[in-house]
Amino acid sequence: DADVTQTPRNRITKTGKRIMLECSQTKGHDRMYWYRQDPGLGLQLIYYSFDVKDINKGEISDGYSVSRQAQAKFSLSLESAIPNQTALYFCATSGAGAAGANVLTFGAGSRLTVL
Amino acid sequence: DAKTTQPPSMDCAEGRAANLPCNHSTISGNEYVYWYRQIHSQGPQYIIHGLKNNETNEMASLIITEDRKSSTLILPHATLRDTAVYYCIVGPFGNEKLTFGTGTRLTIIP
Repeated sequence: DADVTQTPRNRITKTGKRIMLECSQTKGHDRMYWYRQDPGLGLQLIYYSFDVKDINKGEISDGYSVSRQAQAKFSLSLESAIPNQTALYFCATSGAGAAGANVLTFGAGSRLTVL
Repeated sequence: DAKTTQPPSMDCAEGRAANLPCNHSTISGNEYVYWYRQIHSQGPQYIIHGLKNNETNEMASLIITEDRKSSTLILPHATLRDTAVYYCIVGPFGNEKLTFGTGTRLTIIP
């Protein structure tokens, strides 16, 4: 099984629909992240969480919300999807402390298409 | 986070060493250099990181100049599976707000 699992892997939806992307990890890491990638571009940080009670906005949080349900689970929601949110979404984790900090482990990605 | 500059694309012959440069002239004293790669549309994969000393692991070597303003990632014997986008990132150790730019698209030529 993958260390970081994202569901769904692919989703097509319509404008205005609410969408949730889920992420779970078996690394035992405290820190989790959601990134967005548009075609041909780098990754942009949407939200990140350093522990269950901690939520922080990234570069492009508008139009998104997150929930950290447990140490192992971090979900991303689009309350009312719009076409320019069509992108590839990645969840990642990292361990706290010197040995693991900044070494991100990524999931396989969730491809979202908003029509 | 300090900004990095990478060439948009490079080619390398299979079996040869691939040398990927990165410029980070505004790097701060507490910032590390990290390299990740992304194969097709998969999730990025960590390769290596360093502060000021050269580093080597089973995947690659990282050479950082003495003034730390640039670095080179070396894949010693490139294979077709090394075709990917390579990201050079700098950031303080423990600060996970890493910025992924557009990276270098490395193509390994048979």
